[in-house]
Amino acid sequence: EAQVTQNPRYLITVTGKKLTVTCSQNMNHEYMSWYRQDPGLGLRQIYYSMNVEVTDKGDVPEGYKVSRKEKRNFPLILESPSPNQTSLYFCASSFSGSADTQYFGPGTRLTVL
Amino acid sequence: AQKITQTQPGMFVQEKEAVTLDCTYDTSDQSYGLFWYKQPSSGEMIFLIYQGSYDEQNATEGRYSLNFQKARKSANLVISASQLGDSAMYFCAMREPLNFNKFYFGSGTKLNVKP
Repeated sequence: EAQVTQNPRYLITVTGKKLTVTCSQNMNHEYMSWYRQDPGLGLRQIYYSMNVEVTDKGDVPEGYKVSRKEKRNFPLILESPSPNQTSLYFCASSFSGSADTQYFGPGTRLTVL
Repeated sequence: AQKITQTQPGMFVQEKEAVTLDCTYDTSDQSYGLFWYKQPSSGEMIFLIYQGSYDEQNATEGRYSLNFQKARKSANLVISASQLGDSAMYFCAMREPLNFNKFYFGSGTKLNVKP
């Protein structure tokens, strides 16, 4: 089954404790992206990657890191999480054409205390 | 400036009636893609419909159609014959393939379908 998986689905952590949210897709998509969703703000792009070893900042990259060492995986790293990073996070993947829709993972609900 | 604007935070519609969700966008590119996604209360993001900037016909997918007015930079979603299962958040999005291939989303419209 074609899908994007994210782990964990739910995470409660404390300020400053490094964490990684994994994302994997099995559709051979070049393009992968991370979003955060906050009430009233929609989805905002954090980082995206157009292929292996090619990553770039989205609109809200501060406090986040990513890497793309393999085509299928695109982990999101919070090296020192803060409460303002409490949010719902989505990973998505797609082919690179303008007509190509993104396929979304199920989301990760992160709470930073 | 906002790339995608959805001016209706919440809307109600009677079951079986049609409803239009508004979306305007801002781009200086000639080539771009416009998308609508549905997010039910369970949280997943579901792709509904796509419109390309060069498409002359409005896109349709079942009960969904996209009213594309390029000169007004408007891409409204029309849902015909609303069903209770249409109650959800709806997001308009734009992809700019020539501008770093970024995606932009609006703030969403919460649609409630009344029986």
